[in-house]
Amino acid sequence: QKEVEQNSGPLSVPEGAIASLNCTYSDRVSQSFFWYRQYSGKSPELIMSIYSNGDKEDGRFTAQLNKASQYVSLLIRDSQPSDSATYLCAVKYNQGGKLIFGQGTELSVKP
Amino acid sequence: EAQVTQNPRYLITVTGKKLTVTCSQNMNHEYMSWYRQDPGLGLRQIYYSMNVEVTDKGDVPEGYKVSRKEKRNFPLILESPSPNQTSLYFCASSFGGVETQYFGPGTRLLVL
Repeated sequence: QKEVEQNSGPLSVPEGAIASLNCTYSDRVSQSFFWYRQYSGKSPELIMSIYSNGDKEDGRFTAQLNKASQYVSLLIRDSQPSDSATYLCAVKYNQGGKLIFGQGTELSVKP
Repeated sequence: EAQVTQNPRYLITVTGKKLTVTCSQNMNHEYMSWYRQDPGLGLRQIYYSMNVEVTDKGDVPEGYKVSRKEKRNFPLILESPSPNQTSLYFCASSFGGVETQYFGPGTRLLVL
């Protein structure tokens, strides 16, 4: 059974701090990795995707992938109260359309 | 406006009464997928479709059926709903594969 694990939180950080969200996965042949953001009562929205080892930056967001350690993370710099949401990690394992999500981490950014 | 629509948005039904949740997208996306979301379990994929007449099981397909007769529509069918199918359901679509999915607004289902 392929698994994706996240700390459920809640993770609380002060405004302006760096929020670090972590995700581990069980299958070494995993190909693609995604971070979704879901505001309370809303649908998930894709914020980052990463396919190779290393860092990928997009504005205040940085995704980090370490395939040897089977670990993917999302850093949010200069956190804002508007970043308060649940962040979902997702892993694609093969060429098909199957996607496995973690449980999600709730982030709260305090003003 | 590019969007994924789901109907109904809210549904209360009784055990065993067949129901269909519709999903439609206007972006000409090949890929469509259904998920359910339960507290503490995150999103779990039910079925997905890579294109018309091509469907495959996700992680939790038991008790569900799907069909993809047209590119824009991907209905989710519960032939005999049970209380353990009470959940929040999301449909999603993307161009090509699963990489850039757009999610619908969700359908909240309660099975009594």
